[in-house]
Amino acid sequence: TQLLEQSPQFLSIQEGENLTVYCNSSSVFSSLQWYRQEPGEGPVLLVTVVTGGEVKKLKRLTFQFGDARKDSSLHITAAQPGDTGLYLCAGAMDSNYQLIWGAGTKLIIKP
Amino acid sequence: DSGVTQTPKHLITATGQRVTLRCSPRSGDLSVYWYQQSLDQGLQFLIQYYNGEERAKGNILERFSAQQFPDLHSELNLSSLELGDSALYFCASSPRTRHNYGYTFGSGTRLTVV
Repeated sequence: TQLLEQSPQFLSIQEGENLTVYCNSSSVFSSLQWYRQEPGEGPVLLVTVVTGGEVKKLKRLTFQFGDARKDSSLHITAAQPGDTGLYLCAGAMDSNYQLIWGAGTKLIIKP
Repeated sequence: DSGVTQTPKHLITATGQRVTLRCSPRSGDLSVYWYQQSLDQGLQFLIQYYNGEERAKGNILERFSAQQFPDLHSELNLSSLELGDSALYFCASSPRTRHNYGYTFGSGTRLTVV
């Protein structure tokens, strides 16, 4: 069974703090994607990382793909209330037509 | 607007009934994916179509079926509905069968079975 374990499941922090969300697997992925979902809406693609060791930045968000392409992290610097949402990671494998999804991290940033 | 259109946005129906959810993919995308998301849970993959043909099946119940039409829109049919079928149903699209560069999701259909 291919699993993508995402942690933490829930995180509630104060505005201005930093945080990191992790996605880990024993499987190798050809790419890994991060999505953000707001209540009642569909997930929105934030970034796709493709190369082992790759780091991508999107304003205060930093995404990293592990060297072995089995894990990824999302780091948010100086979190803002607008960062509140459900963050989902999803891994793509060449042998599958479908993405392997993490269970999500529910993030709440308190003003 | 993501470019993926789902209708209806909300649906309330009784147990035992049948409903049809509709999805129009982003222009140029040939693949359509259907997902179910229950309250505070992750996404459960149901089924994928590519250019009219079924490509992959996930945890889709036998009471559920889907198809993709020549104009690439897709419909998800849910029959003999049960209370546990209440959920958000999302459609997503991508340009090809390979998904390395991400999906575009619609805003979903919230199904409530009473």
